[in-house]
Amino acid sequence: EAGVTQSPRYAVLQEGQAVSFWCDPISGHDTLYWYQQPRDQGPQLLVYFRDEAVIDNSQLPSDRFSAVRPKGTNSTLKIQSAKQGDTATYLCASGAETLYFGSGTRLTVL
Amino acid sequence: QQKVQQSPESLSVPEGGMASLNCTSSDRNFQYFWWYRQHSGEGPKALMSIFSDGDKKEGRFTAHLNKASLHVSLHIRDSQPSDSALYFCAASEPLSGSFNKLTFGAGTRLAVCP
Repeated sequence: EAGVTQSPRYAVLQEGQAVSFWCDPISGHDTLYWYQQPRDQGPQLLVYFRDEAVIDNSQLPSDRFSAVRPKGTNSTLKIQSAKQGDTATYLCASGAETLYFGSGTRLTVL
Repeated sequence: QQKVQQSPESLSVPEGGMASLNCTSSDRNFQYFWWYRQHSGEGPKALMSIFSDGDKKEGRFTAHLNKASLHVSLHIRDSQPSDSALYFCAASEPLSGSFNKLTFGAGTRLAVCP
């Protein structure tokens, strides 16, 4: 069974640039989560979906971050104007009782 | 203040030894707990969940939950070098739509020395 797939694996950009992260969850999982994991910290929930609907985006910095899951399958997380404080690994997860995480995208903002 | 607090921050045990990790929640709404493990360069992977008071054993791993004190622990017996990783405690509320909305602790870094 294929796991959660994320791309790109790494991203390096200057402050003010935009970046998108892509996630393909495990087939059949209706819930999908985006987490932000700063270096040497635990993952922190940004947003999660059930099918195509956003269930909770209260922790998403809405002025610069956006997330969509238009067909209830793949999802894209976008940062419009990156800041140095956004440097972190962005993890996607899907699942019911147990969450299955992808390997993440490691973002560095210079 | 973090709602899920883990201790110690780091731990070193000899190969074959017992590793004990602790987690305490400051939020009484949290009733369900998980332990996840993350090796370098990978995403977290679930080890086990525990929802009821008492012990739960899966192979070399034993979790213990005390809901009254909101304390959960993980014990790894016969530790192997491959157990060296970052261990996270995660918790959630028993509300519809919130079961999988996990809040993670900051983690305990375990090193198992050959």
